[in-house]
Amino acid sequence: DAKTTQPTSMDCAEGRAANLPCNHSTISGNEYVYWYRQIHSQGPQYIIHGLKNNETNEMASLIITEDRKSSTLILPHATLRDTAVYYCIVRVAGNTGKLIFGQGTTLQVKP
Amino acid sequence: GAVVSQHPSWVICKSGTSVKIECRSLDFQATTMFWYRQFPKQSLMLMATSNEGSKATYEQGVEKDKFLINHASLTLSTLTVTSAHPEDSSFYICSALSGGAHGTQYFGPGTRLLVL
Repeated sequence: DAKTTQPTSMDCAEGRAANLPCNHSTISGNEYVYWYRQIHSQGPQYIIHGLKNNETNEMASLIITEDRKSSTLILPHATLRDTAVYYCIVRVAGNTGKLIFGQGTTLQVKP
Repeated sequence: GAVVSQHPSWVICKSGTSVKIECRSLDFQATTMFWYRQFPKQSLMLMATSNEGSKATYEQGVEKDKFLINHASLTLSTLTVTSAHPEDSSFYICSALSGGAHGTQYFGPGTRLLVL
């Protein structure tokens, strides 16, 4: 399974863009990068996923480097409600669909 | 979006009793569901993969006789913690896979279990 490395914590000012990095240097060609977040005492919330192209949805943008060894999740205008633990996960190859969670990045959005 | 519910949201039980937690996919069918456990200040730990109509696949170190999983329909999986002990107190979270094996997992809100 490809492992991911994320900073333990980050701060962001409210209204500014939050850029959360993730390294996944051992990713395989058929493995997707998934991002979830977990707000305190809740189940994780799906944000976005991608294979090699950049992706955007109503929540965030995902930028994947050309060599696919790293990616960045961008929250364009962070709000206080975006304070959460953000998990970058490389989807296990094969057809099990399992997600293995690391420690994630705790994002604190400050007023 | 895909919605997954869990019931109950929290439960308190006495040591030695069994507790059943339900996980339902409300607006999609899920042949595969997953059960996770999360202790305070830790990340989610995958316990098992639940497959509709077949036996669950447990992760290493998870006792299958203690954590009974049943996935009897395409929208319901249950986790039963048998003979619960205080060390089983945790936050139990399920997820359901939408869109087949290469689809996306959507998570339930979690069930907080406290064993006295």
